[in-house]
Amino acid sequence: AAGVIQSPRHLIKEKRETATLKCYPIPRHDTVYWYQQGPGQDPQFLISFYEKMQSDKGSIPDRFSAQQFSDYHSELNMSSLELGDSALYFCASSTQDSYGYTFGSGTRLTVV
Amino acid sequence: AQKITQTQPGMFVQEKEAVTLDCTYDTSDQSYGLFWYKQPSSGEMIFLIYQGSYDEQNATEGRYSLNFQKARKSANLVISASQLGDSAMYFCAMREGTGRRALTFGSGTRLQVQP
Repeated sequence: AAGVIQSPRHLIKEKRETATLKCYPIPRHDTVYWYQQGPGQDPQFLISFYEKMQSDKGSIPDRFSAQQFSDYHSELNMSSLELGDSALYFCASSTQDSYGYTFGSGTRLTVV
Repeated sequence: AQKITQTQPGMFVQEKEAVTLDCTYDTSDQSYGLFWYKQPSSGEMIFLIYQGSYDEQNATEGRYSLNFQKARKSANLVISASQLGDSAMYFCAMREGTGRRALTFGSGTRLQVQP
């Protein structure tokens, strides 16, 4: 069965640079969620999209933005990167019943 | 206030024994869902088990069962017959309400299974 695909798996950026993370949800899943997991921490919700519209917002910094495209893939854009942005970024997708949350393998971002 | 509380930062269990990982939650919603995820050292988040607030029976999935005590607002994960491959971080999470809501996670419990 198809899973949630995230790319890249690993990313190294310098401070003040920009990063773009991509997420391809499971086919027919209409909602995408982004989470940030810092070292030794639990995942924190950033933002979600339903049918290409932002549906909910968590603790997403103003330096970050995200969108969902017509093919339902989503991109998280991160600008003016800081050392504290180093984390594992997860994308998850789900359907209406919100029972079947499926997580991607994550993108590990390291800011140096 | 913490919505999901996992009070055990780390747990040890002998191989083939059962272990219970604690989770308490706080919500004013009548409808909610409780989830457990496993995160091995490789980092991926693996779904284990789900319990809906209106489910009268405790959820079970193979060696995993969820001890749901609604009045006490607890949703403990029981792993029977622990295996070495069960060594990982375990997160309890909650979806409040219905529909397309994000999950709120607890701080996790690191389980180590000893031979």
